[in-house]
Amino acid sequence: GESVGLHLPTLSVQEGDNSIINCAYSNSASDYFIWYKQESGKGPQFIIDIRSNMDKRQGQRVTVLLNKTVKHLSLQIAATQPGDSAVYFCAEKESGNTGKLIFGQGTTLQVKP
Amino acid sequence: NAGVMQNPRHLVRRRGQEARLRCSPMKGHSHVYWYRQLPEEGLKFMVYLQKENIIDESGMPKERFSAEFPKEGPSILRIQQVVRGDSAAYFCASSPRGSTDTQYFGPGTRLTVL
Repeated sequence: GESVGLHLPTLSVQEGDNSIINCAYSNSASDYFIWYKQESGKGPQFIIDIRSNMDKRQGQRVTVLLNKTVKHLSLQIAATQPGDSAVYFCAEKESGNTGKLIFGQGTTLQVKP
Repeated sequence: NAGVMQNPRHLVRRRGQEARLRCSPMKGHSHVYWYRQLPEEGLKFMVYLQKENIIDESGMPKERFSAEFPKEGPSILRIQQVVRGDSAAYFCASSPRGSTDTQYFGPGTRLTVL
């Protein structure tokens, strides 16, 4: 069956360093992937997305990389700040008509001052 | 432009009572998705609705749970005869056109069943 998983439950980085959060997916037919950030007590906040016809997409301080060969997705955050501390989820949009999202378990990013 | 609104933010119910969770999508959005999040877990899809129609309810438990999105008013997720295992955060997301669009999430309703 389909599953989306993250490699590490917690990532601790020093303020100012770059962060890399990884995600594996199992459905090779998925064609759209999204990263969400969830702060404590809040709903998921859209960060960046990428379609399967792309390998890389950049936003403000964030980059998403997609490796379809090994079904791997990563989120890179440049110059990590205390405000980046949160749980990060990758989500896979199921190919087909409904567009429902399949979420991974989440990686907690802790930024040390 | 207000984001997705959910109320109540916190809801406490005793076992056997009913819970009603409301979701008002972003202005101009006619597609609503409901997800459930258990502690320390990712979100799990429950149901996808358009105005007056249920499109996909493959993630909904077969009993006690129902959802609607009427022509006027918010989408409602209804849980009858709640049990302790229903305690979770329930999030709704909306999008303008459905499957091809980004989903924007509300702040969630945290349901606690005593």
